[in-house]
Amino acid sequence: NAGVTQTPKFRILKIGQSMTLQCTQDMNHNYMYWYRQDPGMGLKLIYYSVGAGITDKGEVPNGYNVSRSTTEDFPLRLELAAPSQTSVYFCASDGRGYNSPLHFGNGTRLTVT
Amino acid sequence: GQQVMQIPQYQHVQEGEDFTTYCNSSTTLSNIQWYKQRPGGHPVFLIQLVKSGEVKKQKRLTFQFGEAKKNSSLHITATQTTDVGTYFCGRSRNAGNNRKLIWGLGTSLAVNP
Repeated sequence: NAGVTQTPKFRILKIGQSMTLQCTQDMNHNYMYWYRQDPGMGLKLIYYSVGAGITDKGEVPNGYNVSRSTTEDFPLRLELAAPSQTSVYFCASDGRGYNSPLHFGNGTRLTVT
Repeated sequence: GQQVMQIPQYQHVQEGEDFTTYCNSSTTLSNIQWYKQRPGGHPVFLIQLVKSGEVKKQKRLTFQFGEAKKNSSLHITATQTTDVGTYFCGRSRNAGNNRKLIWGLGTSLAVNP
């Protein structure tokens, strides 16, 4: 049981490049989330999904896109990378009902230069 | 109105001293979740409080939920270097199918050996 797996762990992008951050979970959780965390700051919700085929915006969705074609996978797409997107990205999931705790992946450290 | 405020933002203690972080809300909370994030790591769920006045203990950690369910605290007795990290509180917010966790900004704990 791997939990929530994120790839890659690190990535450096040039301004304007695109990339997809991968996230998969093997706990059969319906709810999945993408957060970003800037140095010394808390977690800001980018997008979330309540189940396959359903996604919705969080607090800071601009510059990102997501899809949820399966229960397991929830990739995050950056289309035109900007320096402001330099951050640590965490994928998380929960699925056992209201109040259930979040399970986080190990994070992706992204630098845009 | 929906935010949770955490204080202090930073705390530096000598090993063996006690430590407390507080999570406050202007509105009544249905629940509080506490997470710990080690430096360079990802948030890990510690505990959830649901009932008014609830107190839960995990070894040297004591979690409390206020009688009015507007505040919560995490107290660590006799800190150790392994306690270093950032402690986050979060509250669930349900709006129809939109279930999200509203996060505090965290309290970063440094422990001098």
